[in-house]
This record gives sequence, C-alpha cells and structure tokens, in this order.
Amino acid sequence: DIQMTQSPSTLSASVGDSVTITCRASQTISSRLAWYQQKPGKAPKILISKASSLESGVPSRFSGSGSGTEFTLTISSLQPDDFATYYCQQYKSYWTFGQGTKVEVK
Amino acid sequence: QVQLQQSGPGLVKPSQTVSLTCGISGDSVSSNTVAWHWIRQSPSRGLEWLGWTYYRSKWFHDFAVSLESRITINADTAKNQFSLQLSSVTPDDTAVYYCARGSEFGVLIDDWGQGTLVTVSS
Repeated sequence: DIQMTQSPSTLSASVGDSVTITCRASQTISSRLAWYQQKPGKAPKILISKASSLESGVPSRFSGSGSGTEFTLTISSLQPDDFATYYCQQYKSYWTFGQGTKVEVK
Repeated sequence: QVQLQQSGPGLVKPSQTVSLTCGISGDSVSSNTVAWHWIRQSPSRGLEWLGWTYYRSKWFHDFAVSLESRITINADTAKNQFSLQLSSVTPDDTAVYYCARGSEFGVLIDDWGQGTLVTVSS
C-alpha cells in the first residue's frame, strides 16, 4: 500500500497569509495526486488533480506542485472561507489519503 | 453536474449488515468512462477507500483487501444507483460513509454524496 503523510497536522494562520501544506508519498506516484478541502459535516471537495491542475470553479489562490513523492498545496492569500481541513490523496495505486491538515484561525 | 444522493439506516447492531444506496443524477451508473466508489471516514481511520464498481462492457468490482471478505458493491441500472453492503459489522465500522464518482475512467474521485453516519451499537 502507498502511504501518504501530510504536514503539518494543524496550521494557524490569518486572513491574507500565504500557507503551504506538504504531502509525501511512500513511493513514487508520478503526478497522480489530488487535493481536497473538507468543512465540518460536509463531504470533501476536490480542489486540484494531477498534482497541479486546478478544478473548475476553484479560486486561483489555490495551487499545487510536485511529482514523484513530494507535493505541496499553497493558498496564496487565505480567505475566511478557506479555514477548513485539507487532504491529499494518491490515485496511482488504488486510493489512499493523507491524515489531513486543519487550517485554523490564528 | 452530477449529484449523488445517499440513503440507508444510520444505526446498525453488531454482527448485522450495513446497506447503503447511492442514487445518481446527471450521469449513468453504466457509463464506460466513470466508476463508482465507496469511502468512509472515522476519527480513528481517517478517510478510507472501501471499493468500487464500474462497467466496461461488463461489470467489474474491486475492494480494499482488509474488507474483501465482508463487502459487496452492486449496481442497479434500472434505478441508476449503486449500493454498499458491509456484513458482520463491529463498533470499529462506525463511520461516515460516502459514495463518490470517479471520472477520468474512474480513477479521479471528483463528486461525492452527502455522507451517511453509520453507528454500530447494540
């Protein structure tokens, strides 16, 4: 199984900050990585696929990068609606998720 | 826009079977270019992929190894829906269960149902 490790687990930030979340795969997954945003009581919402492709309707302040085993999600100017939990997920071999990064108000 | 509507009981007794259904609108369960997944989420396990079904001239299924002896996923083309059955449940199976669609020939999970909290308790 491919394991996905995110860091940090919690990130405290303010509106307007730029934040970066890191995701590491236990083996190479090429660019088969997606990022999701989840708010309490809701299903995850896809933000990025293929490591860096922004999904339709997702604000351009979200960006993804990386390939192989190291990936990042950056939110360039944090907005009030962005406080949520973020997950990476690999889809190279079946599907596994990171443990999540909660972005909270500083 | 695809919409997935889940239904099923929220409370199940230990050793019984969880049965959930996911109704699809805006797509076809028998489409040759997508797949249909079940995923669950709990504080102890996080987000865990359970299994999928898809149609490519015939039906295919595959499941998480840890669950393959207890899980069934079926598609109902007449009702345009798919279902999950998980047998012999224990309190460890308590979780929010999601159905989801996989696009790009099934591998990119992009649309999710609203989730169903299933509690296993006597």
